[in-house]
Amino acid sequence: QQQVKQSPQSLIVQKGGISIINCAYENTAFDYFPWYQQFPGKGPALLIAIRPDVSEKKEGRFTISFNKSAKQFSLHIMDSQPGDSATYFCAAPRGNDYKLSFGAGTTVTVRA
Amino acid sequence: NAGVTQTPKFQVLKTGQSMTLQCAQDMNHNSMYWYRQDPGMGLRLIYYSASEGTTDKGEVPNGYNVSRLNKREFSLRLESAAPSQTSVYFCASSEPRRGLFGNQPQHFGDGTRLSIL
Repeated sequence: QQQVKQSPQSLIVQKGGISIINCAYENTAFDYFPWYQQFPGKGPALLIAIRPDVSEKKEGRFTISFNKSAKQFSLHIMDSQPGDSATYFCAAPRGNDYKLSFGAGTTVTVRA
Repeated sequence: NAGVTQTPKFQVLKTGQSMTLQCAQDMNHNSMYWYRQDPGMGLRLIYYSASEGTTDKGEVPNGYNVSRLNKREFSLRLESAAPSQTSVYFCASSEPRRGLFGNQPQHFGDGTRLSIL
């Protein structure tokens, strides 16, 4: 069964700073690694996802870096804004099963 | 579009009571999921349905049953609630996977907050 280890558990960053969240996964026959963003009282929503043909994907201020050999991927939030304050979950396919296993989540607080 | 709608939003039960959590999606998705979210544990898959009429166990199915009533609706039932089932429950839906690298985004409802005393 897939284990996804996410760190840190929480982080505080100043407005305009960079937030970095790391995830490590075990084996998977599928390569699809999404990040979800969750605001209090709401369900998670897909933020950005990466597939195996690239090592980095950028969408606005959000970037995923992917290291297949190390089985690690990370989310970078550039120029962090107070509206980015949320909980972020990484996920990875569960071994030979394309259903997702989620990390434990990282609560990001951006201070103005 | 409503997306994924879950009812109720909040519920308090006593140990041993039964309850059904409802979920409906209006995106014509084939795949539907039930997760529970607990502090420090992320989202854990309870049950999954690839299409109408099919269901499959996830990581933590014990104590739960599901029904895929039709393409739109996927319900989760607690037959005899236990305090360990206190959690936030999320329903999600997605298009089916397309090929080896074709996982599709999951769309989540806003959850049911369930407390069992």
